This record gives sequence, C-alpha cells and structure tokens, in this order.
Amino acid sequence: GNSVTQMEGPVTLSEEAFLTINCTYTATGYPSLFWYVQYPGEGLQLLLKATKADDKGSNKGFEATYRKETTSFHLEKGSVQVSDSAVYFCALSGQGAQKLVFGQGTRLTINP
Amino acid sequence: NAGVTQTPKFRVLKTGQSMTLLCAQDMNHEYMYWYRQDPGMGLRLIHYSVGEGTTAKGEVPDGYNVSRLKKQNFLLGLESAAPSQTSVYFCASSFLRTSGSRMETQYFGPGTRLLVL
Repeated sequence: GNSVTQMEGPVTLSEEAFLTINCTYTATGYPSLFWYVQYPGEGLQLLLKATKADDKGSNKGFEATYRKETTSFHLEKGSVQVSDSAVYFCALSGQGAQKLVFGQGTRLTINP
Repeated sequence: NAGVTQTPKFRVLKTGQSMTLLCAQDMNHEYMYWYRQDPGMGLRLIHYSVGEGTTAKGEVPDGYNVSRLKKQNFLLGLESAAPSQTSVYFCASSFLRTSGSRMETQYFGPGTRLLVL
C-alpha cells in the first residue's frame, strides 16, 4: 500500500539556518504530494503541494520538488525564523483517491 | 466563515463510557474525515464520508462509529471507550474532486484531545 517516511525528529536549528526535512514515499501510479504544518495548539494547515513529477510547490519561503526518480518530496527553506517552529507532516494522495496518507511528522524548533 | 470546528476541545472519559465528537464545516464541502493523531505515528484515518448519508472505513475504524445526517456535520462516536483510544482527534473536510483534477486540499479543525482512564 501507499506509505510516507519522514526524517526523524525533533530538529532544532538556529534562526536564519538552512532547513531540510526529508520525505520519501511508496505509491503506485502518480500520487499527489503535500506538506502540512501544525502550529502549537492548532490543526493542520496545507503548506504546499505538487501534483506531478518535477513540480515544485512553494509557500512562505518553503519549497519542495516532486522527484519521481527518487520517490522524494523534501521540504527546504533557506533561512528559518522562530515563527517556523511547528510540526511538519509530509502526505500523499494516491492516484484517483481522495484520502491522505501521512508521515509521522517532524517537530521543528527554531532558537533565536 | 468559521471553517471547520470541533466540539468538545478536551474530554476525560472512564473506560467503558461513551461519547460523541462533533465536527461542523461551513464551506459546503462534500468530503469529511476523522483522523487520530498519536505520537510518532502521524495522522491515521478513522472514517470518512463522501457526502450526506454516506460513510466509509479508513485505516483504523475499529471501536468507532460515524454518521453524516447533514452535509455540514460529521459525528464520531465511541460506544465503549478504551485507554487505547486516548488520542487527539482531528476532523477535516474538502471539496469533491472534479473530473481531471487532483486531490483537493483538506481543511482541518483545531482538534479534540481525549483522555480515557
């Protein structure tokens, strides 16, 4: 079945550092890929998405590129801020499906 | 426009008690979902609904029941709560996928924290 594997956390960085959170997936066909963010005490919000190979999703300075050859969708940001502290979830939706499969989440803490 | 709301925010139950979690959305979405979130396991789908009067099982449906009597509401019931059901429960909703388009964005509620003693 479909599955998502995320980089183990927690991740702690200093402000303005470069961020990478790894995400790889297993799926048949051509899934859609997502990154969701969960700020403390809140529900999940869509951060970015990509629906086909080589697509790049971007939002709020975060980027992720759909790499079919490596089955990856790594999240990157060039310069993180304290306000980026949150839990980040990678997810996929199988081709033709309307259901999400989530990774285990990566807790990110940014220190000033 | 409140989006997705969940009631209650927090609840403590004793083993064997029952309760119902309410999810409401005001975006006229066709799809609604119930997830549970446990440490180190991400979110797992419990049940979902593709429209009023319909429900379907997700990844971890055992011990839960759902109903979708009105389009805007999706209820999650625990008939006999167990400590293994201690979790944070999230509801989400999305539009119906139109022909040729991909998965629509899911919008999440703020969550219900449930503790079963």
